[in-house]
Amino acid sequence: QVQLVESGGGVVQPGRSLRLSCAASGFTFSSYGMHWVRQAPGKGLEWVAVISYDGSNKYYADSVKGRFTISRDNSKNTLYLQMNSLRAEDTAVYYCAKSGLPWATYNWFDPWGQGTLVTVSS
Amino acid sequence: DIQMTQSPSSLSASVGDRVTITCQASQDISNYLNWYQQKPGKAPKLLIYDASNLETGVPSRFSGSGSGTDFTFTISSLQPEDIATYYCQQYDNLPSFTFGPGTKVDIK
Repeated sequence: QVQLVESGGGVVQPGRSLRLSCAASGFTFSSYGMHWVRQAPGKGLEWVAVISYDGSNKYYADSVKGRFTISRDNSKNTLYLQMNSLRAEDTAVYYCAKSGLPWATYNWFDPWGQGTLVTVSS
Repeated sequence: DIQMTQSPSSLSASVGDRVTITCQASQDISNYLNWYQQKPGKAPKLLIYDASNLETGVPSRFSGSGSGTDFTFTISSLQPEDIATYYCQQYDNLPSFTFGPGTKVDIK
């Protein structure tokens, strides 16, 4: 079955960097767009970034543009999120999610990983 | 940017009750509207895509309807396992994907 497993979260000081990974299995990773979505403690869901199935297109939420970079390695079935210049307001559980349809990046998120917690604090 | 609103923000209902949640977009999004369920401490789960299509394996007591700016999510007979927060999400205004603020459903 489809499985997404995030890793790389932790506690980091403001201004520092962190890289999240999402290991995918159970589907043809190279055929699907992939997303990062985050959820601050006790808050709602916020879409962060998307990358097309071949990595040629990447889009970001305004709140992270210029600081975060989404990438993928289709040979390793792995999605990444490089987070630089971290701020307290970036504290959240970060989920990776697969696009619902192959080849088409813009639709729904299905399924989601279990999430990894990033805490930005001095 | 498209804004999404949901109402109510929370509700309490009895087992077996019909529960309805509404989601409104700030502009026409056709049927590009999805619904997710998030149980406490868990990742969200897709229930409905493109406004009215039930995801495979999701119980038929869940349904969605609407188009344009106004959408409805319904649980026809609330079950104890349906305690969760429900989110709508639009994907018409690409490349941004916007979620509604969520509706928390409890058992009375």
